[in-house]
Amino acid sequence: GENVEQHPSTLSVQEGDSAVIKCTYSDSASNYFPWYKQELGKGPQLIIDIRSNVGEKKDQRIAVTLNKTAKHFSLHITETQPEDSAVYFCAASPPGTASKLTFGTGTRLQVTL
Amino acid sequence: DGGITQSPKYLFRKEGQNVTLSCEQNLNHDAMYWYRQDPGQGLRLIYYSQIVNDFQKGDIAEGYSVSREKKESFPLTVTSAQKNPTAFYLCASSILLGNTEAFFGQGTRLTVV
Repeated sequence: GENVEQHPSTLSVQEGDSAVIKCTYSDSASNYFPWYKQELGKGPQLIIDIRSNVGEKKDQRIAVTLNKTAKHFSLHITETQPEDSAVYFCAASPPGTASKLTFGTGTRLQVTL
Repeated sequence: DGGITQSPKYLFRKEGQNVTLSCEQNLNHDAMYWYRQDPGQGLRLIYYSQIVNDFQKGDIAEGYSVSREKKESFPLTVTSAQKNPTAFYLCASSILLGNTEAFFGQGTRLTVV
């Protein structure tokens, strides 16, 4: 089955700096890669996702890049703000109606003033 | 207001007792999931259901049971056979089982006392 590794486990950046979180996956057939943000005491919420037919996707200050050859994908947050502080999870899923998401172990991002 | 609702938010259980966590969705989604979240371990899949009256074991099903008698409901029972039940439990749903966005509830924190 799919295995997703996520790094780093914790990340501290100053407000206004950029943050990068990286994930690698094992199943070369995987073609869907979402990123979730989880605030304290709440459920994860999708912030951006990418499918394997594109290499990059951007949504305001958030971008995701995908390298299918190397089997890794990354989340980039620019101009970080205190409200970006949360736990971020990457996930991967192969195609097909019986597939399921496999999550990484999470990255706790702390944006300091 | 469409969404996925978990109740209760906090739950305390005595050792040896079974307890049932509620999950209801009004998104008309076919697929539903239960995840367990422990610090540093990400989201681990307990059970999932592709359609009404069908469910499958996930990666850590031992000590848990589920039912899917209605499309909108997917309750999870934590039995006394679960050796380490204290955790944060997340329910999710998606349009189909497959590589699509999962919508999460707010979670239930279960503590065994």
